[in-house]
Amino acid sequence: AQSVSQHNHHVILSEAASLELGCNYSYGGTVNLFWYVQYPGQHLQLLLKYFSGDPLVKGIKGFEAEFIKSKFSFNLRKPSVQWSDTAEYFCAVSRPFGGATNKLIFGTGTLLAVQP
Amino acid sequence: SQTIHQWPATLVQPVGSPLSLECTVEGTSNPNLYWYRQAAGRGLQLLFYSVGIGQISSEVPQNLSASRPQDRQFILSSKKLLLSDSGFYLCAWSGQDYGYTFGSGTRLTVV
Repeated sequence: AQSVSQHNHHVILSEAASLELGCNYSYGGTVNLFWYVQYPGQHLQLLLKYFSGDPLVKGIKGFEAEFIKSKFSFNLRKPSVQWSDTAEYFCAVSRPFGGATNKLIFGTGTLLAVQP
Repeated sequence: SQTIHQWPATLVQPVGSPLSLECTVEGTSNPNLYWYRQAAGRGLQLLFYSVGIGQISSEVPQNLSASRPQDRQFILSSKKLLLSDSGFYLCAWSGQDYGYTFGSGTRLTVV
């Protein structure tokens, strides 16, 4: 079965530090990849997504992610974090040709705390 | 534009009581609909999905059930709640572009 692994469950950084959150998925075929963010008390928001094309994807708020097919990875990066980036981050995968369902499978999430 | 409504926002229910959470979508037709549960430390777990009226698929065995009585209505139910049903429940829909839109969620506490 398809699965998504986020190895960093809790990350604490100081402001201006660089961020990289790992995401690996298990499905070997074509996939759509997503990063979502949930700020405290708010809805899930889409940070960025990859369907095809340039494997380096730019999202909102200075985030980017790189799809490395050979490593089944889609790591999220930001060169310099801010206190306002404190949130929970979820990696997610769906299969574009997985039938009518388009199920989105999430990782367990990474809680990022940025200290001022 | 498409919107998704989910209610109630918070709910405290005793063990053994029934549950009904409702989700409705506006501005689209024949969406794929999903119920997710977010439990502490476990991320977002897909519970049910539906590709059409009356069509429900369950992803994990549990004490809950789902129904889709109308094209844009998705209901999560339980006949008798367990303590382990506590969590944050999210409804979502997706369309042809594979994008997902999430509701605001229901925080369920079973006491």
